[in-house]
Amino acid sequence: DVKVTQSSRYLVKRTGEKVFLECVQDMDHENMFWYRQDPGLGLRLIYFSYDVKMKEKGDIPEGYSVSREKKERFSLILESASTNQTSMYLCASSSQGRHTGELFFGEGSRLTVL
Amino acid sequence: SQQGEEDPQALSIQEGENATMNCSYKTSINNLQWYRQNSGRGLVHLILIRSNEREKHSGRLRVTLDTSKKSSSLLITASRAADTASYFCATDGGSNYKLTFGKGTLLTVNP
Repeated sequence: DVKVTQSSRYLVKRTGEKVFLECVQDMDHENMFWYRQDPGLGLRLIYFSYDVKMKEKGDIPEGYSVSREKKERFSLILESASTNQTSMYLCASSSQGRHTGELFFGEGSRLTVL
Repeated sequence: SQQGEEDPQALSIQEGENATMNCSYKTSINNLQWYRQNSGRGLVHLILIRSNEREKHSGRLRVTLDTSKKSSSLLITASRAADTASYFCATDGGSNYKLTFGKGTLLTVNP
C-alpha cells in the first residue's frame, strides 16, 4: 500500500524554537509538497520540490525553509516558530508526468506554537 | 492565490439523497481534481478530469467540467453517512507541478 508518512501527528512548540517536520514517501515519486491548512483559508502551498536538492517557493514561503537531500524525504523547517505558524501541515507527493497528477497526502502534522 | 472556489461552503443532506458540489476557477487548466478529507486527516484523491473531458464517473461519483464557464461539479449519488467529509477541488493552473486547492465544501450526511 502506497504511503506518505509524516513523522509527528501532534507537536507543541514554544515561540522561537526551531521546528522540523519530516515527510517520507515510499512510492519513488519525484515531486513532493508541503501545504498548510487553516480554517477558512483552505490549503496553501508553502514549498515544493520536483527533484532531489531542488526546491521551489509556493504561495506562502515566508518563515519556512525546506530540505530534500534524498528522493523519499522532504523536510519542512521553521527556523524560529511563531504563533501564527500554528496550523495543520500536510505533506504530499506525486509522480512526475506531463501534467500534474494525483497527489498522495500524509495524515498531517498539527503544530501548536505557544 | 486561490484558484478553485467550492460552493456551497457547507451542505447537509439525508442518507440516500444526492449531493452536488460546485467548483469555479479562474485560469486555464490541464486538469481538475477532487479530493476528500475526513476530519483531522489527510486528503484522499477521488477523481481527475482532464481539460478535454466533459464528464467522468467513478462508482457513485460523477464529475463534470465546463471549461468555457471555468467550472466543475461533483455529484455523489445515494449518499451514505460515511460520505460525511470535506470535499476540495484542485486545479493546476496550467502548471506542471503544483495544485491549488479551494477552501472546500463540508458535506454532512445525516443517517
